[in-house]
Amino acid sequence: SQTIHQWPATLVQPVGSPLSLECTVEGTSNPNLYWYRQAAGRGLQLLFYSVGIGQISSEVPQNLSASRPQDRQFILSSKKLLLSDSGFYLCAWSPGTSGKETQYFGPGTRLLVL
Amino acid sequence: AQTVTQSQPEMSVQEAETVTLSCTYDTSESDYYLFWYKQPPSRQMILVIRQEAYKQQNATENRFSVNFQKAAKSFSLKISDSQLGDAAMYFCAYLNYGQNFVFGPGTRLSVLP
Repeated sequence: SQTIHQWPATLVQPVGSPLSLECTVEGTSNPNLYWYRQAAGRGLQLLFYSVGIGQISSEVPQNLSASRPQDRQFILSSKKLLLSDSGFYLCAWSPGTSGKETQYFGPGTRLLVL
Repeated sequence: AQTVTQSQPEMSVQEAETVTLSCTYDTSESDYYLFWYKQPPSRQMILVIRQEAYKQQNATENRFSVNFQKAAKSFSLKISDSQLGDAAMYFCAYLNYGQNFVFGPGTRLSVLP
């Protein structure tokens, strides 16, 4: 069966520091991968998605970036964090052979920027 | 652009009773998917149920069922025999083939003992 992992689970970082969040998927090949952000009490905002290694599409311009160095690895990064980057970050995957159907989510990372 | 609306920010239900969460969406497409996701306090998003627009039969998953009204662009979720563990945020989502998910703002469901 497929599983999706995210780490770290919780992160507290000072403003201006770098960020690296990692997401990995097991039990599937060529998945579509997604990064979402959820502010407290709000819905999900799609940040990036990827249909293959090295292929990244950005939905919202900001100081975050994403990379996909391996088929089942998706990384969210920032060179300098802003206070507004605080939130809950969710990684998701969907089968790569279909039209981006059902998405399955990881456990999420809570990021607090101070 | 497609939009998803959940007009009930908060709902409550007594344990063992039935509750219906509303969702409407806007699209000009004829073939698409609709989903309900649950987000408990742990904040992990869990798929509850999925409906394919070309299927007229409403999807069911144990105590969860949907009322899909394609012409009205309505996709409500019915939870029967509500349990304390059903307390969560519920998100309705729309997906057009080849596009990305569009999520509604969510409905917070409380289950009262």
